[in-house]
Amino acid sequence: DAGVIQSPRHEVTEMGQEVTLRCKPISGHDYLFWYRQTMMRGLELLIYFNNNVPIDDSGMPEDRFSAKMPNASFSTLKIQPSEPRDSAVYFCASSFVTGIYEQYFGPGTRLTVT
Amino acid sequence: QQQVKQSPQSLIVQKGGISIINCAYENTAFDYFPWYQQFPGKGPALLIAIRPDVSEKKEGRFTISFNKSAKQFSLHIMDSQPGDSATYFCAASGDKLIFGTGTRLQVFP
Repeated sequence: DAGVIQSPRHEVTEMGQEVTLRCKPISGHDYLFWYRQTMMRGLELLIYFNNNVPIDDSGMPEDRFSAKMPNASFSTLKIQPSEPRDSAVYFCASSFVTGIYEQYFGPGTRLTVT
Repeated sequence: QQQVKQSPQSLIVQKGGISIINCAYENTAFDYFPWYQQFPGKGPALLIAIRPDVSEKKEGRFTISFNKSAKQFSLHIMDSQPGDSATYFCAASGDKLIFGTGTRLQVFP
């Protein structure tokens, strides 16, 4: 398996623009997680899905953030409109339901909002 | 109650020395305590994990010590190598992972 795939790897956009981050989890994994990492706040869980259903979105910072998982092999995280404080590295991770402690992370998307 | 406290924030160790990172938790419902390793520009990767009914787990040079009564656990890296230089995160697992704030380890030759 190729592991968790994220695209794009880098995104530079202007404030107010819409940003869409994409993730393909490892085939067969039941859970998908979206994290944000910054120097100030560390690694934050934004939202996670179980079998494509959002379970906990309490970490989503604002209504500007939304996430979808239309099928077992694809998820998106959208920011609309983007702001400079959204600049961070966004990670997607996946795991089996029997091993949530063992998450496989993608390479991340480094987002810069100017 | 959902927090995991990690220390130190940064650690500098000589090659061959022992690196020790500590974590503490409050919620007794966690069922696994993993450690993740992250290299610059990469995503975190699972290094080693322990269940709360075990007091110690060793994999190669990496050992987790777990103290259930004190609600504390630690990572020991024996014979630290420059290639171990990375950021280490402790975590606690229930229905999701709660990560510590991370420790940046630098191992100098």
